Amino acid sequence: ETGVTQTPRHLVMGMTNKKSLKCEQHLGHNAMYWYKQSAKKPLELMFVYSLEERVENNSVPSRFSPECPNSSHLFLHLHTLQPEDSALYLCASSQDRVITAGDTQYFGPGTRLTVL
Amino acid sequence: AQKITQTQPGMFVQEKEAVTLDCTYDTSDQSYGLFWYKQPSSGEMIFLIYQGSYDEQNATEGRYSLNFQKARKSANLVISASQLGDSAMYFCAMKGDTGRRALTFGSGTRLQVQP
Repeated sequence: ETGVTQTPRHLVMGMTNKKSLKCEQHLGHNAMYWYKQSAKKPLELMFVYSLEERVENNSVPSRFSPECPNSSHLFLHLHTLQPEDSALYLCASSQDRVITAGDTQYFGPGTRLTVL
Repeated sequence: AQKITQTQPGMFVQEKEAVTLDCTYDTSDQSYGLFWYKQPSSGEMIFLIYQGSYDEQNATEGRYSLNFQKARKSANLVISASQLGDSAMYFCAMKGDTGRRALTFGSGTRLQVQP
């Protein structure tokens, strides 16, 4: 496997379900990100982890719970979601080189989530 | 605060022709980076090209080049010799050097390459 992988690619869940999204990066990067892409809205950053420590959290509802057990893996645990949470969830990683403006983020293929 | 504006919701181009996708930005950061990403219908966000605010030359990567005009705060993407596989959404994004890691994205331009 190369780059950034995400599983599952598609997920349909009810509002009372609990599910998890998984992201794995094979680039040796130190930082990992969750973004949300809703229809007709720009990408929104949800969480950032650097060396397994959460460093940014953009006022995301508590029904989204991230977990970063190591610098290669990132999870997004979902519970009691709402239909408006239906979106494409993208994971990304970067080297996190002393927080320079040129720190390129590389994205995975995304998980398309539908909440019924 | 940072802002990216992409004023072209959709663009058409003939195969083998060049096309320019517009991007203007606003930031108070002295040092910043500008990025272009391609998103095919499959959803993956593919990194194309990067331009640093202090880079003196315009960035190029194969058929992609970035027309960076700092005084005008524009960072347009030029795709030469368009191919059918170039049909996708294209996003301009930026990041400052203020300590925040977030990329600020524009609303995107949908490019359709016609045979």
